[in-house]
Amino acid sequence: NAGVTQTPKFQVLKTGQSMTLQCAQDMNHNSMYWYRQDPGMGLRLIYYSASEGTTDKGEVPNGYNVSRLNKREFSLRLESAAPSQTSVYFCASRAPGTSGYNEQFFGPGTRLTVL
Amino acid sequence: AQSVTQLDSQVPVFEEAPVELRCNYSSSVSVYLFWYVQYPNQGLQLLLKYLSGSTLVKGINGFEAEFNKSQTSFHLRKPSVHISDTAEYFCAVSGRGSTLGRLYFGRGTQLTVWP
Repeated sequence: NAGVTQTPKFQVLKTGQSMTLQCAQDMNHNSMYWYRQDPGMGLRLIYYSASEGTTDKGEVPNGYNVSRLNKREFSLRLESAAPSQTSVYFCASRAPGTSGYNEQFFGPGTRLTVL
Repeated sequence: AQSVTQLDSQVPVFEEAPVELRCNYSSSVSVYLFWYVQYPNQGLQLLLKYLSGSTLVKGINGFEAEFNKSQTSFHLRKPSVHISDTAEYFCAVSGRGSTLGRLYFGRGTQLTVWP
C-alpha cells in the first residue's frame, strides 16, 4: 500500500495563478483532511471531508476550495494564489474509528511558493 | 473545542541525554491525545497515542508519554536521545466521540540533538 500520496511535491506560482493539489489514499478511509503548515504555527486545518460527497470548512478556508472526487481522492484548489498561501500543504486520511478513536495518516506534503 | 499548548518551541540537547517535551491541552470534553514526529522534509508520523487505561504510554523509537488528567498534560519523554531523534514533534488532541475526527495540533517543538 502506498498510503497517502500527494502531487506535486513542489510548486512555484505567480500571484493570481491557479492550481490544484492532488491527494489520494488507498487505505479505504472515509475521512480526509487538508492542512497547511507554517513556521511556528503548527498544522492548521483548511478543509475536511468526513465521507465521500461531503466537505466542511476548517480553521483557515479562505482562498481555497476542495473536491471529494470519490472515496480515494480529495483535491485542494487555489483559484487565485496569493503570497500568503506560501506554505507546506499536507493531506491526511483517518482510519476508521471505534468509540471515537481517531488516528490520521499523513502524506509527504506539497511545498508551495507563491511569488 | 480543544486546544494544545507546546511550551517549548525549541529544545536542544546533547546525545545520550534525557529529554522531555511538554504539552498541555484544554478541552471541555474527554480527549484522546497524540504525539506525531516530523523528520526534515517529510510528513507526520504517529509516535504514540493515549486512548484510555494506563496513563503511561509507550511509543516507537523509545519514546513514552504520561497522561496527567489533573494537570491536563501529556509530556513526551525519552531517557537517552540519539542524533537521529532530531525532528519536530507535535502534540495533538481529539475529542472523544468526535465523529468528524478533527485533530487540534500544538505549534510544535523542534528537538535538536547535538553530538
